[in-house]
Amino acid sequence: KAGVTQTPRYLIKTRGQQVTLSCSPISGHRSVSWYQQTPGQGLQFLFEYFSETQRNKGNFPGRFSGRQFSNSRSEMNVSTLELGDSALYLCASSFSAGGGSYEQYFGPGTRLTVT
Amino acid sequence: GEDVEQSLFLSVREGDSSVINCTYTDSSSTYLYWYKQEPGAGLQLLTYIFSNMDMKQDQRLTVLLNKKDKHLSLRIADTQTGDSAIYFCAEIFSGGYNKLIFGAGTRLAVHP
Repeated sequence: KAGVTQTPRYLIKTRGQQVTLSCSPISGHRSVSWYQQTPGQGLQFLFEYFSETQRNKGNFPGRFSGRQFSNSRSEMNVSTLELGDSALYLCASSFSAGGGSYEQYFGPGTRLTVT
Repeated sequence: GEDVEQSLFLSVREGDSSVINCTYTDSSSTYLYWYKQEPGAGLQLLTYIFSNMDMKQDQRLTVLLNKKDKHLSLRIADTQTGDSAIYFCAEIFSGGYNKLIFGAGTRLAVHP
């Protein structure tokens, strides 16, 4: 089975711009979660989608949004980029029929640099 | 509350055992995880343990869980240079479906 794929792998944007990141989960997985990783804050949960519905959201401003498509692929969008948004954005995929799922697999991440 | 704590650095000699420790606060956590991250890469799921278990062994990896003290450890037997990486402990947040709460990560350095 192919793993979790994320595109693009690297991105450089300017303050004030917006960006869209994409994640394709493992085939058959219906849950996609997004995390932000920075040296200062570590790994922080952004949001989780299951069957096109957002089930949970972390403590991030409204500039961070996401969606999930019927094929389980997910996108996250960050509008009005700030320097502090520079981070590694990781997507995790799991097969989840309801509550917490015991196996969550991560993609390689998208490295976003805001200048 | 949501909090997972780990020591930040561990240095071991090649061939020795490594023990990475973690404490967590959510007593309702169902699963606890260990992930490995190499430079420039995503997170690799190493192993996980269900909260009603005390121990889980998987080849060179042994996970010990002390639920009373909310303490989790990962032992790597016969540590190799390829094990050098950052190791993250994580718990499933009981109120939040697949939301993982991560520790800050322990950087493992393996030297000859």
